[in-house]
Amino acid sequence: GQNIDQPTEMTATEGAIVQINCTYQTSGFNGLFWYQQHAGEAPTFLSYNVLDGLEEKGRFSSFLSRSKGYSYLLLKELQMKDSASYLCAVTSLGGGKLIFGQGTELSVKP
Amino acid sequence: ETGVTQTPRHLVMGMTNKKSLKCEQHLGHNAMYWYKQSAKKPLELMFVYSLEERVENNSVPSRFSPECPNSSHLFLHLHTLQPEDSALYLCASSQDPQGSPYNEQFFGPGTRLTVL
Repeated sequence: GQNIDQPTEMTATEGAIVQINCTYQTSGFNGLFWYQQHAGEAPTFLSYNVLDGLEEKGRFSSFLSRSKGYSYLLLKELQMKDSASYLCAVTSLGGGKLIFGQGTELSVKP
Repeated sequence: ETGVTQTPRHLVMGMTNKKSLKCEQHLGHNAMYWYKQSAKKPLELMFVYSLEERVENNSVPSRFSPECPNSSHLFLHLHTLQPEDSALYLCASSQDPQGSPYNEQFFGPGTRLTVL
């Protein structure tokens, strides 16, 4: 079977750093995506990890450990506009189907 | 602007109505997808079309009927829905759905469906 777990909600302060974790159990894992979704809007691509390690892109970084079935999204210098849902999704070998976690609703407070 | 548009953005329908959701992608992609997003639940993949052929149907009830007339357009025809079908329906497209490890999907803004 396939299972992806993320915290349902998180709260952080403007200017701070927050880490959103994602654990997964899938057959034939190939890669992991992070998407951001603001309320009422389309999910938008943030990052993709296929190899172990950290991928940095501006204020956002994503980490993957294939052996542990674990990823995190790190958001630095939080801004109010970062309040959104963050979706973790994995792809399996042999196809591009995405399996999504339930998403983590992040609230950034002043 | 993600290059994927959906209409209508909001839809309210009765259980006996027939309606259709429309999705259009302007990215030159080969694959299109329908997802259902309910509150506090993961995005659920409903259908996948690759080169206008349906390649996946995730045990979706027959009251949902997809149609892909060409690689740029995708429809979801709705008939005799139930109140539990109320959700956000998202369309997505990607370049290559099969065999490619990197398959970034581009999402439309969704149609918020309410079934009374």
